[in-house]
Amino acid sequence: QVQLQESGPGLVKPSETLSLTCTVSGYSISSGYYWGWIRQTPGKGLEWIGSINHGGTTFYNPSLNSRVTISVDTSKNQFSLKLNSVTAADTAVYYCARDVPSGNFDYWGQGTLVTVSS
Amino acid sequence: EIVLTQSPGTLSLSPGERATLSCRASQSGSNTNLAWYQQKPGQAPRLLIYGASSRATGIPDRFSGSGSGTDFTLTISRLEPEDFAVYYCQQYGSAPLTFGGGTKVEIK
Repeated sequence: QVQLQESGPGLVKPSETLSLTCTVSGYSISSGYYWGWIRQTPGKGLEWIGSINHGGTTFYNPSLNSRVTISVDTSKNQFSLKLNSVTAADTAVYYCARDVPSGNFDYWGQGTLVTVSS
Repeated sequence: EIVLTQSPGTLSLSPGERATLSCRASQSGSNTNLAWYQQKPGQAPRLLIYGASSRATGIPDRFSGSGSGTDFTLTISRLEPEDFAVYYCQQYGSAPLTFGGGTKVEIK
C-alpha cells in the first residue's frame, strides 16, 4: 500500500521560506511516476504547486514558479517543497501526492497545515 | 489556464437519491483528461474517476463519470450515507493542472 506523509514546520514567518518533505512508503520513487504538491485554502480551493519525477524533472504552476523549488532524494524515498518569500496568502493545508503519468493524483498524504504569521 | 466551474455549489439530497454534478471547462483542452475527487472533512481528496469515465481502484460502481471537451458529469446513482462530501473535478490536459471549486453534497 502506497503511503505518503508530509512533515515540516507548521508556522513560518512572513518573507521566510516554507520547507516541507514528503516521505513515501510502499513504493519506490525510483520506480516511476511523478510526485506532486497541492495546497488547499478556503479562499482559492485546491491549487497544484508542482510535480517532480525520480530524475529530477520538474513542472511548476506558473503562478508560483518564481518562488517554488521541488527536489527529490531517491535514497531516502522523499521529495521536498521549498516556497520562498511567503506571505499570509500562502497559509494553507499542503498535500503531497503521487502524480500518475497523465496528471491526476491517486495517492495523497494526510496534509499538513502551514500558517504564515509573525 | 483552464478554469473549471462546478455546479451546483451545494446539492441537498436524501440517501438513495441520484446525484448529478457538473464540471465545465473554460477551454476544450481538457479532452477527456478530467478526474473527480471526493473529500470529507479533515481528509485528503480521494481519486474517484480519471480519464473522465474510468473508475479508480476500489471505487464502487454507483460512481460514474461522463463527458468530453468542455462538459463533464459525475453521477452517483444511489447515495449512500458515506457519499455525503465535497466533490472536485480536476483537468490535466493542459498545464497548469487546475481544480474546480467543488460541489458539496449534503443530506437533505
